[in-house]
Amino acid sequence: QQQVKQSPQSLIVQKGGISIINCAYENTAFDYFPWYQQFPGKGPALLIAIRPDVSEKKEGRFTISFNKSAKQFSLHIMDSQPGDSATYFCAAKGNFGNEKLTFGTGTRLTIIP
Amino acid sequence: EAGVVQSPRYKIIEKKQPVAFWCNPISGHNTLYWYLQNLGQGPELLIRYENEEAVDDSQLPKDRFSAERLKGVDSTLKIQPAELGDSAVYLCASSSRYNEQFFGPGTRLTVL
Repeated sequence: QQQVKQSPQSLIVQKGGISIINCAYENTAFDYFPWYQQFPGKGPALLIAIRPDVSEKKEGRFTISFNKSAKQFSLHIMDSQPGDSATYFCAAKGNFGNEKLTFGTGTRLTIIP
Repeated sequence: EAGVVQSPRYKIIEKKQPVAFWCNPISGHNTLYWYLQNLGQGPELLIRYENEEAVDDSQLPKDRFSAERLKGVDSTLKIQPAELGDSAVYLCASSSRYNEQFFGPGTRLTVL
């Protein structure tokens, strides 16, 4: 059972544009929602994360928007750059004592000049 | 600070052969994870260790997969015998308890 659904599967954005990736979850016990960035041949690296007590978190050009009632969260990349071209994974984890990260299926982002 | 180290980075074997992957976590990280990442998919947890103890191995196919973390530091994941469907990237991650997981570069396994 896929507990974290991610869309789109792939995304092409022009340089300087806004990239938006969406995720939805089912398990209401999740209380930590990270986004990971993965380049070819590398392991995933934490980009930004949010807990459900806030609706938005911003770090530089990256923003997570969180809608607890809809059980949805999204990643926004402002002023997208070619260096942002990578695969992005959303994930979710339960509270203390349940450290299992459940990942989405990933979004391959390509930023074109 | 050195990151999570994995070896080998690539492995090609014939089906039915055994294979082993090694992971050295970040110094001081008590929690170690092994993940399986199929092409075009997100990582899936195989096993999680707290120090030497495997606290979550519910997703580990125990008929052919085994893992160990002797002395609570390095870990080895073994497959015996390997099947065609085992071709994937095997990721190791570590964390200090309840904190961010740091991933290694992975081992890409190809089973012919």
